Amino acid sequence: VQLLESGGGLVQPGGSLRLSCAASGFTFSSSSMSWVRQAPGKGLEWVSSITTTGSTFYADSVKGRFTTSRDNSKNTLFLQMSSLTAEDTAVYYCAKLTSDWGQGTTVTVSS
Amino acid sequence: DIQMTQSPSSLSASVGDRVTITCRASQGISNSLAWFQQRPGKAPKSLIYGASNLQTGVPSKFSGNGSGTDFTLTISSLQPEDFATYYCQHYKGYPFAFGGGTKVEIK
Repeated sequence: VQLLESGGGLVQPGGSLRLSCAASGFTFSSSSMSWVRQAPGKGLEWVSSITTTGSTFYADSVKGRFTTSRDNSKNTLFLQMSSLTAEDTAVYYCAKLTSDWGQGTTVTVSS
Repeated sequence: DIQMTQSPSSLSASVGDRVTITCRASQGISNSLAWFQQRPGKAPKSLIYGASNLQTGVPSKFSGNGSGTDFTLTISSLQPEDFATYYCQHYKGYPFAFGGGTKVEIK
């Protein structure tokens, strides 16, 4: 199993960013997938999940600003982030939550 | 929403010690609980799912117990590679939530 995140970087407050997670080594379309983040020096925070049928769920802290989607034809998970604030600065992990995690991509929101 | 509380937040232990970490859910979650290990600068690693089931490849010195609201993670004999931060997480319906973490340090 491999999960490879990309798309992180430096963005100004109020800006947008789209993260991607390329999955391999398992049947992606049959797996619910999640995004988890970790702010510098802090613990893990569940951000969002998407089920096999495409239903999405979000933490209150990101609801209305973040959108999770998936492309099963490309075995790829996405996280579209908008209206970003400094509080969104974190390492973002893609995960099959109870089993496999990616290495993470860093998002820094700063002017 | 279900909140997860871990205790202690940190502990100091010696190589060879037996260590137990506790995780409490704010309401019953049956056995929908996972444990993760995170070493500094690394991604979390799954240790246990379903409260007591070891992930493939995880050594048997790790064990999980509990159901309902109270859960434990035990490391039977600490080794240098076990010094890390451990997190519990429930997946009994959305929103999922993690405990605050327990940092296991060398005494």
